[in-house]
Amino acid sequence: GEDVEQSLFLSVREGDSSVINCTYTDSSSTYLYWYKQEPGAGLQLLTYIFSNMDMKQDQRLTVLLNKKDKHLSLRIADTQTGDSAIYFCAEINSGNTPLVFGKGTRLSVIA
Amino acid sequence: DAGITQSPRHKVTETGTPVTLRCHQTENHRYMYWYRQDPGHGLRLIHYSYGVKDTDKGEVSDGYSVSRSKTEDFLLTLESATSSQTSVYFCAIRGGEDYGYTFGSGTRLTVV
Repeated sequence: GEDVEQSLFLSVREGDSSVINCTYTDSSSTYLYWYKQEPGAGLQLLTYIFSNMDMKQDQRLTVLLNKKDKHLSLRIADTQTGDSAIYFCAEINSGNTPLVFGKGTRLSVIA
Repeated sequence: DAGITQSPRHKVTETGTPVTLRCHQTENHRYMYWYRQDPGHGLRLIHYSYGVKDTDKGEVSDGYSVSRSKTEDFLLTLESATSSQTSVYFCAIRGGEDYGYTFGSGTRLTVV
């Protein structure tokens, strides 16, 4: 089946930029997503990008998509302690198939 | 999240007992999903539903069954709970053109 891979941990200093990377195998991905999970909570949709786009910016968040390499990244500018969470990458092929999630990257922000 | 609730939030049960978790939505969405989350495994799909009485298996469906008799409710049943089913269970609904999911707050299940 299709697979989504992420590194498990990332540690950054407050005020720096964070870059979380993701690779996927499905060449027919339609949408790619980033979800955030805070401790004790469910996943919250942060942002998404359609497969015909290269970049999407939303305030402090920048998503970059390289379809050729099947690589997705999430950049968080001016990282704050409140950004400490687990970030999940996910992709979908068509509306009838479930999302495929990566295992999540735990972001720790050091004050 | 608004529009989707899970119950109970926490449950402790004994090995061998049946357990049912409930997911309720007020959004009238067609698609609903059950995931389990375990350290080192991320989110794994158990079952999903694409309409009333229409369900399909995910990657870790053994030991679980589901039912959807109404659009708003999706039930997950552990027929005979085992310690390996100790986990956090999340329900999700899918709506909108972007196919993104909205997740419930989760049910922490402990099987002793």
